Amino acid sequence: NIVMTQSPKSMSISVGDRVTMNCKASQNVYNNIAWYQQKPGQSPKLLVYYASNRYNGVPDRFTGSGYGTDFTLTINSVQAEDAAFYYCQRIYNSPYTFGAGTKLELK
Amino acid sequence: EVQLVESGGGLVQPGRSMKLSCAASGFTFSSFAMAWVRQAPTKGLEWVASISYDGGNTYYRDSVKGRFTISRDNAKSSLYLQMDSLRSEDTSTYYCAKQLGGFAYWGQGTLVTVSS
Repeated sequence: NIVMTQSPKSMSISVGDRVTMNCKASQNVYNNIAWYQQKPGQSPKLLVYYASNRYNGVPDRFTGSGYGTDFTLTINSVQAEDAAFYYCQRIYNSPYTFGAGTKLELK
Repeated sequence: EVQLVESGGGLVQPGRSMKLSCAASGFTFSSFAMAWVRQAPTKGLEWVASISYDGGNTYYRDSVKGRFTISRDNAKSSLYLQMDSLRSEDTSTYYCAKQLGGFAYWGQGTLVTVSS
């Protein structure tokens, strides 16, 4: 089965900074990756699908990129409300494996 | 407005069964694949099972194959997860989700606690 490895596990960022988090697939998943944001006590929210397509209503400071095995979620000018866990997920084909997540904290 | 409302969670003893339900509204339920995703306390997300729009195809993570059964009733716009032979490691909040590209909509989740 494909393993999704996210890095870093956590990061502490200041408001206004640019942040990049990574997701590496153990096999080629083409562009079949989604990114989610989950805040404490809330359900996950879809941010990006098929690696680079921003979902409806997602602010344009969130950008997904990558293809094959290496993927990136970039947040330009981080806002206080972006403090959350972020997960990548293989989509399109089963198993729909999630990565372990990256925790984004604000300084 | 899309709504997914899970129900059926609670406390159950190891080895027993439990059935979760997810009531969908605000979209054409019969047109979309659906999924169950779980999250153990303080842990990450774990995909559990998916079902095609017509129920003809089902998919499971290895650790639940043979114990869990995903099903749907398109006439009732409802998704189900029958969980048998429950184990302590199945303790989680279970979310139902609408599949569209990624998992585009999620319910609020229902907590299942497996303990004696």
